[in-house]
Amino acid sequence: DARVTQTPRHKVTEMGQEVTMRCQPILGHNTVFWYRQTMMQGLELLAYFRNRAPLDDSGMPKDRFSAEMPDATLATLKIQPSEPRDSAVYFCASGGTGVRLFFGEGSRLTVL
Amino acid sequence: RKEVEQDPGPFNVPEGATVAFNCTYSNSASQSFFWYRQDCRKEPKLLMSVYSSGNEDGRFTAQLNRASQYISLLIRDSKLSDSATYLCVVTDAGNNRKLIWGLGTSLAVNP
Repeated sequence: DARVTQTPRHKVTEMGQEVTMRCQPILGHNTVFWYRQTMMQGLELLAYFRNRAPLDDSGMPKDRFSAEMPDATLATLKIQPSEPRDSAVYFCASGGTGVRLFFGEGSRLTVL
Repeated sequence: RKEVEQDPGPFNVPEGATVAFNCTYSNSASQSFFWYRQDCRKEPKLLMSVYSSGNEDGRFTAQLNRASQYISLLIRDSKLSDSATYLCVVTDAGNNRKLIWGLGTSLAVNP
């Protein structure tokens, strides 16, 4: 059963530390999305890629966040330096030819 | 004003009840519409797409009213397992691959 895989599932870190989250999209999917979910803001799009090229990262704070797809099987989201307000659940999702998205189980980040 | 608005609830209903959620969206040029379901501390999963003609999947019926810019979801004969948050989703008017999410409506079905 194909699924999007995210690591780590949980991360607790201290303010100022670097955090890297990884995502393996479903094989054959050509779009990859990074979302952040909080109670107050819901799901916010941070960045998305099509065929590994970044198409939209307007939702991402550029000074501390970066997203890359070094190859078709790996997407990364990095926060450096992390801040307490970055505490959230970060979801990766992938999609194929249709609009439907398949989400990973999320990375729950707590920045102290 | 948020682009996609939903009543956050919670809706508390007994098993077997019929419950309806509405959602409004701001951009009349949005093309595609969906309901996703998210269980507590889990990822969102597609429940159903929403078509102008209305569509049904078992106990679930979704409808789209383009003139009024709202989407509805009706759940009949609700089950305990229907307890979840239901997210209304529309595509961005300028980019059909970009989804805009409502904050969700929380449903609790009680025995």
